[in-house]
Amino acid sequence: AQTVTQSQPEMSVQEAETVTLSCTYDTSESDYYLFWYKQPPSRQMILVIRQEAYKQQNATENRFSVNFQKAAKSFSLKISDSQLGDAAMYFCAYRTYIIQGAQKLVFGQGTRLTINP
Amino acid sequence: DVKVTQSSRYLVKRTGEKVFLECVQDMDHENMFWYRQDPGLGLRLIYFSYDVKMKEKGDIPEGYSVSREKKERFSLILESASTNQTSMYLCASSLYLESSYEQYFGPGTRLTVT
Repeated sequence: AQTVTQSQPEMSVQEAETVTLSCTYDTSESDYYLFWYKQPPSRQMILVIRQEAYKQQNATENRFSVNFQKAAKSFSLKISDSQLGDAAMYFCAYRTYIIQGAQKLVFGQGTRLTINP
Repeated sequence: DVKVTQSSRYLVKRTGEKVFLECVQDMDHENMFWYRQDPGLGLRLIYFSYDVKMKEKGDIPEGYSVSREKKERFSLILESASTNQTSMYLCASSLYLESSYEQYFGPGTRLTVT
C-alpha cells in the first residue's frame, strides 16, 4: 500500500524568507500524481500545487515550487518570500486508484508552518 | 466557485448517541469522501462514494456508516458515538476520472463525544 511521510511536524520561518517542507512516499506505481494541500487555521483545505510523476519538470505556482525526485521518492515544497498568510498546516498527498476508476488521496501527517513577522 | 458545505462546524454529543454529519456539494461531482483528521495522523479515509447509492469502505470504516441518496449529498453516520470518535471530520468531492484529480474540501466538523 502507498504511504506518505512528512517528518517535520512543525516548521517556522521569518517573513520574506524561504522555507522547504519535506515529504517522502512509497509506491510501486510508475505513473501517479502528488499534491500539496494547505489548511489555514479554521479555514478550508485548498490545493497548493500538483505534480505528475511522468513529468520531469518541477511544478511551480507563483511563490510555491516543488523539488520532485522520483528515484528517491521525495516531493518537497519550497515557499519563497514567505508571507503571514502562508501560515497553515500543509499536507502532502499521493493519488491512488481504488475501484471503478475512482481515485483517493493518501495523506501525510502534516507540517504546521508558522511565519514569524 | 466550487463549494462543499458541512452541516455543522462544531458538534458536541454524548456517548451512545446516533450522530449525523451532512455534506453537500454544488459542483455535480460524482465522487464524495469522508475523512477523519487527527493530530499526527493526517487525514484518513473513512468511506467514499462514486455514485448515488454506491459506497465503499475506506481505511478506517469501523463504527461508521454512510448514505448517499442524492448526488449532491453525502452523510456520515455514527451509529453509537464513542469518545474515540472525537475528531475533526472533513468531507470532500471530486470529478470522476478527472486526470488531474483535485479534491475540494468542506470546512470540517469538529465533533466532541463526551
